[in-house]
Amino acid sequence: GDSVTQMEGPVTLSEEAFLTINCTYTATGYPSLFWYVQYPGEGLQLLLKATKADDKGSNKGFEATYRKETTSFHLEKGSVQVSDSAVYFCALSRTGGSNYKLTFGKGTLLTVNP
Amino acid sequence: GAGVSQSPRYKVAKRGQDVALRCDPISGHVSLFWYQQALGQGPEFLTYFQNEAQLDKSGLPSDRFFAERPEGSVSTLKIQRTQQEDSAVYLCASSKDSQPQHFGDGTRLSIL
Repeated sequence: GDSVTQMEGPVTLSEEAFLTINCTYTATGYPSLFWYVQYPGEGLQLLLKATKADDKGSNKGFEATYRKETTSFHLEKGSVQVSDSAVYFCALSRTGGSNYKLTFGKGTLLTVNP
Repeated sequence: GAGVSQSPRYKVAKRGQDVALRCDPISGHVSLFWYQQALGQGPEFLTYFQNEAQLDKSGLPSDRFFAERPEGSVSTLKIQRTQQEDSAVYLCASSKDSQPQHFGDGTRLSIL
């Protein structure tokens, strides 16, 4: 079945450091890929998405590129802020995400210190 | 409303009691999903509705779990004879057309 593996945390960085959170997936066909973020006490928010190979999703300075050859969708940010502290989830769905379930990784806790 | 609304935010129940969790999706969203998120884990799919039709319930862990969406809007997830392993955050999400899912803040269920 479908699965998502993401690097285990916690990840602790200083403000303005470079961030990479690795994510790889296993799925048949051509899934859509997502990064969701969960701030303390809140629900999941979509951070970015990509729906086909070589697509780059980007939002709020975060980027991730859909790499079919390595089945990866690593999340990067050039300069993190304290406000980026949250749990980040990589996820996939068989379609565009509207009418098919999401399969999530276990999440990676990011803490950014001033 | 502006977003997906879930109630209650917190629910404490004794083992063996029945509980009901409510989800009010974004107006006009045809698709509705329930997920279960154990502590320190990612959400796991429970069930999916398209309007009032439950098209996929493959993720429901046992026959103690039951979900309904009778009029195609508000949905209720019911857990009968709760067990300690049912303690988790239950997330509801809705979507329409080809747009990604929007999540509510979840209901944190604790079974004593």
